[in-house]
Amino acid sequence: KNQVEQSPQSLIILEGKNCTLQCNYTVSPFSNLRWYKQDTGRGPVSLTIMTFSENTKSNGRYTATLDADTKQSSLHITASQLSDSASYICVVTGGGYQKVTFGTGTKLQVIP
Amino acid sequence: EPEVTQTPSHQVTQMGQEVILRCVPISNHLYFYWYRQILGQKVEFLVSFYNNEISEKSEIFDDQFSVERPDGSNFTLKIRSTKLEDSAMYFCARSGSSYNEQFFGPGTRLTVL
Repeated sequence: KNQVEQSPQSLIILEGKNCTLQCNYTVSPFSNLRWYKQDTGRGPVSLTIMTFSENTKSNGRYTATLDADTKQSSLHITASQLSDSASYICVVTGGGYQKVTFGTGTKLQVIP
Repeated sequence: EPEVTQTPSHQVTQMGQEVILRCVPISNHLYFYWYRQILGQKVEFLVSFYNNEISEKSEIFDDQFSVERPDGSNFTLKIRSTKLEDSAMYFCARSGSSYNEQFFGPGTRLTVL
């Protein structure tokens, strides 16, 4: 069964600090992996998308990594800001044409 | 950022009634998706739609649900005979291809009483 597991479930960090969120998946065959940011009550917003051949991709203060061998990805947030408070969702496409599997998300809270 | 608009933003309905949720993609992307997110739970894939046909659907997308693009622009999700457990946020998304990033709409909050 295709699964996407994220850790931690929730995280509280001080403004200005860095943090790393983890994503493990069992989706096969693999097509791509995306990280989304979702504010409460809003639609997810894409941060990065990576295919099999990409190891690292950055988008401003967000850097995603992908290890397709171990089926793990991480999202690193640098110099966190209060506006980074949101849920971060790992989404893997694969295991069937256009089939997408969402992770349960990591709820990040940045405090002053 | 490319936009997807959804209407209504909030729909309240009685159990057993039919609802139609609408999605209006701004550009001419060909791939459309519907997702559901029950309060406090993860986003769940419902269906993908390409070239006016369903290309993939999940186990959730049973006979109660249907999608269509009636006028070549709006993309609709119809839920027949709604149940209490259909209460959720419903998100529409679009992409230029099945491998590109998907742009999500703001969602429709459906409340079934």
